[in-house]
Amino acid sequence: QSALTQPASVSGSPGQSITISCTGTSSDVGGYNHVSWYQQHPGKAPQLMIYAVSNRPSGVSNRYSGTKFGNTASLTISGLQAEDEADYYCSSYASSNTPVFGGGTKLTVL
Amino acid sequence: EVQLVESGGGLVQPGGSLRLSCAVSGFTFINSEMNWVRQAPGKGLEWVSYISTSGSTIHYADSVKGRFTISRDNAKNSLYLQMNSLRAEDTAVYYCARELNYYTLDVWGKGTTVTVSS
Repeated sequence: QSALTQPASVSGSPGQSITISCTGTSSDVGGYNHVSWYQQHPGKAPQLMIYAVSNRPSGVSNRYSGTKFGNTASLTISGLQAEDEADYYCSSYASSNTPVFGGGTKLTVL
Repeated sequence: EVQLVESGGGLVQPGGSLRLSCAVSGFTFINSEMNWVRQAPGKGLEWVSYISTSGSTIHYADSVKGRFTISRDNAKNSLYLQMNSLRAEDTAVYYCARELNYYTLDVWGKGTTVTVSS
């Protein structure tokens, strides 16, 4: 199972919005509504931010939103804040009945 | 408080073995599917293994199949990962994580570090 494709890095200024893409195939992202997004600060464990494409766990800011079109899922963070600076990973359930992760995207808040 | 605490990591020689543990508290472990995920230094997340609530269903990543064994003890609220025939490429931080469904991992431990080196 090949890893999902994410941009290596994105950046934005405080208050702006950014979008991170996550491209897979019809055997993973395109075939199931089980895409998750994780935030990871340096030296910390990942934290679930979005699940089932567009659902936010309790406690996650509504500045985080997720969408999917075809084989590409996207994470949008609006009203960027310094605390959003982190690595972000997408993940999808796949037809192999195992998950596949993206390579990760480093978000820099300028 | 929901908590996952991994232990058992360390330095091991290539070809050696290590057993990781994950102690769970704050939620009903017996009702929770569990996973191991690892992260090599400076790299991304890699799913390693899954175990169902009863332990009857298990899945592994191709990279560890035949070398790693996942198990659980519901009476002890504990998850395990037995790692044999370790290779340099197994060097990583290993996280245990609770699964919400379809490999959505909603609770993670802080991780334990495994280093395979001579």
